[in-house]
Amino acid sequence: EDQVTQSPEALRLQEGESSSLNCSYTVSGLRGLFWYRQDPGKGPEFLFTLYSAGEEKEKERLKATLTKKESFLHITAPKPEDSATYLCAVLNYGGSQGNLIFGKGTKLSVKP
Amino acid sequence: DAGVIQSPRHEVTEMGQEVTLRCKPISGHDYLFWYRQTMMRGLELLIYFNNNVPIDDSGMPEDRFSAKMPNASFSTLKIQPSEPRDSAVYFCASSLGGPAFFGQGTRLTVV
Repeated sequence: EDQVTQSPEALRLQEGESSSLNCSYTVSGLRGLFWYRQDPGKGPEFLFTLYSAGEEKEKERLKATLTKKESFLHITAPKPEDSATYLCAVLNYGGSQGNLIFGKGTKLSVKP
Repeated sequence: DAGVIQSPRHEVTEMGQEVTLRCKPISGHDYLFWYRQTMMRGLELLIYFNNNVPIDDSGMPEDRFSAKMPNASFSTLKIQPSEPRDSAVYFCASSLGGPAFFGQGTRLTVV
């Protein structure tokens, strides 16, 4: 069964304290892996797409990386405004085309 | 583009009443998804359409839930009759087969 697991469930950081969020997946064939940010009361906001192992994408203080079994979202010198829930989703070749499988997310809190 | 537009943003209804949620996808997107989000279960896919045709409705909880997409720019999710356990945030999203782009959601409370 295709699965996406994110860890930790929650992460509390001090401003400036760098860390990483993990997304591990088991799918029949990966077409793409996506990272989203979700703020309270809002819909998930698309951040990155990763297609193949070794690929990296960066945006401000965020860098996403991909291996054959997992993805990491690295947060460098975070600020309070980076506080949000970060969701990972995969799109696979097997099963229903076009269907994203989401993890349950990591809730990040950054304290000043 | 204005993004995915959902209405209403909030809905409070009494148990047993019919509820209809509405969605306008991003123009040109050929996939449309309905998700439900709760603290306990996270984001759950209810149903998705490709070119207005329902492809997978295995996530629809039961016969009380139905979804339609009469044209490329409009979809509805209907719950009849509604129950307190249906209380959640319902998201609509659209895509071109890659990353999905989400609306702001409808917060449904059934009392």
